[in-house]
Amino acid sequence: EAQVTQNPRYLITVTGKKLTVTCSQNMNHEYMSWYRQDPGLGLRQIYYSMNVEVTDKGDVPEGYKVSRKEKRNFPLILESPSPNQTSLYFCASSSSGSNSYEQYFGPGTRLTVT
Amino acid sequence: AQKVTQAQTEISVVEKEDVTLDCVYETRDTTYYLFWYKQPPSGELVFLIRRNSFDEQNEISGRYSWNFQKSTSSFNFTITASQVVDSAVYFCALSGTGGFKTIFGAGTRLFVKA
Repeated sequence: EAQVTQNPRYLITVTGKKLTVTCSQNMNHEYMSWYRQDPGLGLRQIYYSMNVEVTDKGDVPEGYKVSRKEKRNFPLILESPSPNQTSLYFCASSSSGSNSYEQYFGPGTRLTVT
Repeated sequence: AQKVTQAQTEISVVEKEDVTLDCVYETRDTTYYLFWYKQPPSGELVFLIRRNSFDEQNEISGRYSWNFQKSTSSFNFTITASQVVDSAVYFCALSGTGGFKTIFGAGTRLFVKA
């Protein structure tokens, strides 16, 4: 089954404690992205990756890091989380093939930083 | 800069009514892609449609139809004979040339009452 998986699905942490949210896709997609969803703001792109070892900033990259060492994985790293990073996070993947840029989303990770 | 505006924050209709969700976009790219995604109460994000900037054909899929007008920079979504299962948040999104950076609108929450 084609899918994007994220772990963990729920996470409560404290300010300053480094965390990683993993994302993996099994569709051999070149493109992957991270978004955060906040009430009234829709989804905002944090980082995206065009392929292995190629990443770039989205609209709200501050406080986040990413890496793309393998095509299927695109982890999101919060080195020193702060309460304003409390949000719902989605990973997505897409390709430039026949279904160009249609994004497949993971189930979401609800992060609370206290 | 790219921008997507969904001016309707919430819409409430009675089952079997038709409803149109508005989406207005801004971009300087000559090649771009427009999308609609659905987020039901369960929280997942589901792709509905993609339109390329060079294809202004309207599309109908069952009870759903989309009207893309470059002259007014709009990509509106109509649900005919709405059903309770259509209750969800609907997002309009825009990707520029290359399809990497994606901007989402704030979303329109649709309530369909039985």
